[in-house]
Amino acid sequence: EVKLVESGGGLVQPGGSLRLSCAASGFTVTSNYMSWVRQAPGKGLEWVSVIYTGGPTYYADSVKGRFIISRDYSKNTLFLQMNNLTADDTGVYFCARETYSSSYFDYWGQGTLVTVSS
Amino acid sequence: SYVLTQPPSVSVAPGKTARITCGGHNIQSTSVHWYQQKPGQAPVVVVYDDSDRPSGTPDRFSGSNSGNTATLTISRVEAGDEADYYCQVRDSASDHWIFGGGTKLTVL
Repeated sequence: EVKLVESGGGLVQPGGSLRLSCAASGFTVTSNYMSWVRQAPGKGLEWVSVIYTGGPTYYADSVKGRFIISRDYSKNTLFLQMNNLTADDTGVYFCARETYSSSYFDYWGQGTLVTVSS
Repeated sequence: SYVLTQPPSVSVAPGKTARITCGGHNIQSTSVHWYQQKPGQAPVVVVYDDSDRPSGTPDRFSGSNSGNTATLTISRVEAGDEADYYCQVRDSASDHWIFGGGTKLTVL
């Protein structure tokens, strides 16, 4: 059974950093494109970043230069390092697996809440 | 960057048909996926590749994609269909994934 479990969210001050984790089971994180998607309170879904199976990474313009996506094969875990956080980064962060055969997300985690506030 | 436009809200009576649109420039040239999200839950795909349904999605849900508009159609709407719905594409030109702004479906 495929499962994704995020952790690492919490309250952080503006300008601070946080690292999110997404522990995967039932598949290997290096075998699929893996993304982070966030949702500000009461708002819609916003794609944040992707890491391809071969390693290339891409970021939404809103986080480029501040966030870093990575993965650890031995831990079968996806990460999101978030630096220089602002209030606009507040929201629930989901990790999501893209299906092999198309460009949609077939599995999502339950999300972890990040709150940026002083 | 590529933009997807959805109506903020759609209301429909039980048993009727709801149509949720997703507008984008020449959207017909790419695959569109639709997600349902209920409060406090992660999104779930209900239609992928314009019109395919994952196992578990009722056949009341269908999709189409033509010109500059993709449409999610929900027939014989039930109270349990009340949720937010998002369209999504992959913009291969930028290696970005794009979501529409979301549509809140209200069952009257």
